[in-house]
Amino acid sequence: DTGVSQNPRHKITKRGQNVTFRCDPISEHNRLYWYRQTLGQGPEFLTYFQNEAQLEKSRLLSDRFSAERPKGSFSTLEIQRTEQGDSAMYLCASSSSTNTEAFFGQGTRLTVV
Amino acid sequence: GENVEQHPSTLSVQEGDSAVIKCTYSDSASNYFPWYKQELGKRPQLIIDIRSNVGEKKDQRIAVTLNKTAKHFSLHITETQPEDSAVYFCAATGDMRFGAGTRLTVKP
Repeated sequence: DTGVSQNPRHKITKRGQNVTFRCDPISEHNRLYWYRQTLGQGPEFLTYFQNEAQLEKSRLLSDRFSAERPKGSFSTLEIQRTEQGDSAMYLCASSSSTNTEAFFGQGTRLTVV
Repeated sequence: GENVEQHPSTLSVQEGDSAVIKCTYSDSASNYFPWYKQELGKRPQLIIDIRSNVGEKKDQRIAVTLNKTAKHFSLHITETQPEDSAVYFCAATGDMRFGAGTRLTVKP
């Protein structure tokens, strides 16, 4: 494993369906971040984990969004009852600790039709 | 969480000119300030970072300056080249919240 891996790369779903994305961080990294990015905008912070603990969750993350990192390794981001406004690139990043470089995955592009 | 503001949102320069992008932050406890570059269709990648115990850091044509009193830090790119065209993001610790980004265009 040489980098952060996200799956799937692309997801098209119908409005109202649930979707789940997976992020596999660099193996020794204990911090994991989720972001949402729309075209031309900066990555919007969604949430982050220190090991398995979810330390902060953005107010942008409505109750339809949930993230887990059960064993402190991979993480999942679930969106329930998807809406067209959820269409975006979802980025995951990991770092070895605070105050160190975060490495990004290639993202999952979600399209809600 | 940390609030990071970034200016300008777009910046167009002639090849060879310098470019400066500025970020301000709200949390005086923040002590790590990275800059990321994102080319079209690619993931963000770190280009330079600075910690609060130094005021300036350089790496070839790129430099970052930090003013802790004023709570702002800036990215400086000298002798810009067309391949510097990208979107640049700043962030501040500890939860890696990014600024809104600056789209830099370097015209040949």
